[in-house]
Amino acid sequence: GAVVSQHPSRVICKSGTSVKIECRSLDFQATTMFWYRQFPKQSLMLMATSNEGSKATYEQGVEKDKFLINHASLTLSTLTVTSAHPEDSSFYICSARGGIYNEQFFGPGTRLTVL
Amino acid sequence: QKEVEQDPGPLSVPEGAIVSLNCTYSNSAFQYFMWYRQYSRKGPELLMYTYSSGNKEDGRFTAQVDKSSKYISLFIRDSQPSDSATYLCAMSAGASYDKVIFGPGTSLSVIP
Repeated sequence: GAVVSQHPSRVICKSGTSVKIECRSLDFQATTMFWYRQFPKQSLMLMATSNEGSKATYEQGVEKDKFLINHASLTLSTLTVTSAHPEDSSFYICSARGGIYNEQFFGPGTRLTVL
Repeated sequence: QKEVEQDPGPLSVPEGAIVSLNCTYSNSAFQYFMWYRQYSRKGPELLMYTYSSGNKEDGRFTAQVDKSSKYISLFIRDSQPSDSATYLCAMSAGASYDKVIFGPGTSLSVIP
């Protein structure tokens, strides 16, 4: 089956620093990748849709200048949380679209803790 | 009213029981319905995918969609401790999966 990886799996940083999270589709090309955020005991909330070679589309309420998304190739999308603050602490999950049903395959997630 | 509602549980059942998980939704445009399983601290994995109304069976899992009632279900037969996880329903209006809306998830524990 399709495999999506994320790196790092866990990151702890100080308030004010920037953190980059990578999402890779390992065995298929993904023209579209999605970034989600999940707070404890809550569902996944779509942050943005990332299309290869074009600007990301952000959901309402998500600051595009704070959450920078780059989809430079068909297998890699990155999310950079700029000037992170404690309220940005969350589980960030990416997905890549592919497969016979064009479904979303999810990465394992990155747990961000901002001190 | 939220677009997708799901009882968060937790739901605790003995091993071997039949588990019923349900979601209701309000948007009649939804046509594609999915169930994902998410283990603690992991990303979700797709379990079942159905289009429009009807049933779909895959091993111990059966997904049902009743569009007239805006109600979907996932049944797990002969539940195992390894089924203990959070189950998320998800749905979208288009086949392109451009906008998938997730339910909040139901936490399931299968007790040996």
